[in-house]
Amino acid sequence: QKEVEQDPGPLSVPEGAIVSLNCTYSNSAFQYFMWYRQYSRKGPELLMYTYSSGNKEDGRFTAQVDKSSKYISLFIRDSQPSDSATYLCAMRSTSGSRLTFGEGTQLTVNP
Amino acid sequence: EPEVTQTPSHQVTQMGQEVILRCVPISNHLYFYWYRQILGQKVEFLVSFYNNEISEKSEIFDDQFSVERPDGSNFTLKIRSTKLEDSAMYFCASSEAPERPQYFGPGTRLLVL
Repeated sequence: QKEVEQDPGPLSVPEGAIVSLNCTYSNSAFQYFMWYRQYSRKGPELLMYTYSSGNKEDGRFTAQVDKSSKYISLFIRDSQPSDSATYLCAMRSTSGSRLTFGEGTQLTVNP
Repeated sequence: EPEVTQTPSHQVTQMGQEVILRCVPISNHLYFYWYRQILGQKVEFLVSFYNNEISEKSEIFDDQFSVERPDGSNFTLKIRSTKLEDSAMYFCASSEAPERPQYFGPGTRLLVL
C-alpha cells in the first residue's frame, strides 16, 4: 500500500466551478499536511500548510484534514483558468524532515 | 518576496560524469533539502541538511550523492558518476525550522545521456 495516494486525474472543470482535490494516507505518524501547486516544468509552490486535524482557509482555497479517516482535501472556490496546474499533497511526521508527496492531480479550468 | 534559486536550469551530461547542482536557499532559513522528480513520477525526498550535517537521507541518496554548504549562501548536490536513471528534475528546498513549511526552488533539469 502506498503511503500517500492521490488520484492523478486529469480533472477538467469550467471556470467558476468549485474544485475538490483529495489525498488519502496510511501512515498515522503524519501530522503536517501541505498542498503545493506545480505548473508544468516548474517547482512546487506552497499553497496551504496545516498541522493535525481541522480546516484552514486562505482566499479561495480551503484545506481540510480528517486524521480519523486519514484523508485530506483542498477546495478551490470560483476556479480560474490560472488555477490550471498539477496539485500535489505532501505530508510529514513530527519525527522527520522529509516530505512524502502524492502523485499529483492535474487540473484544467476551462474558460 | 524571498525565494529559493537554483542553477543551472538545465544540464546535459554524459553517463559517468560528475555534476554539481547549485542552490541558494532563502537567506534566514537554516534547513535545506534536495528532492527529485523523475518525469511523470512523484516528487521524492533525497536528503535534508542542517548545521553542516546531513540530518536525514532516503534510500535513493547512496554513496554517489553528496551535499555541501561551501559558503554562507550556497547549498550544493553532487552526483559523482551519473547514471541514465539519474535523469530527473532536482529541486532544492529550504525552511526556517523542521516544523515550518518547505519552500522549493524552480528546479534543475538533469539529462544523462
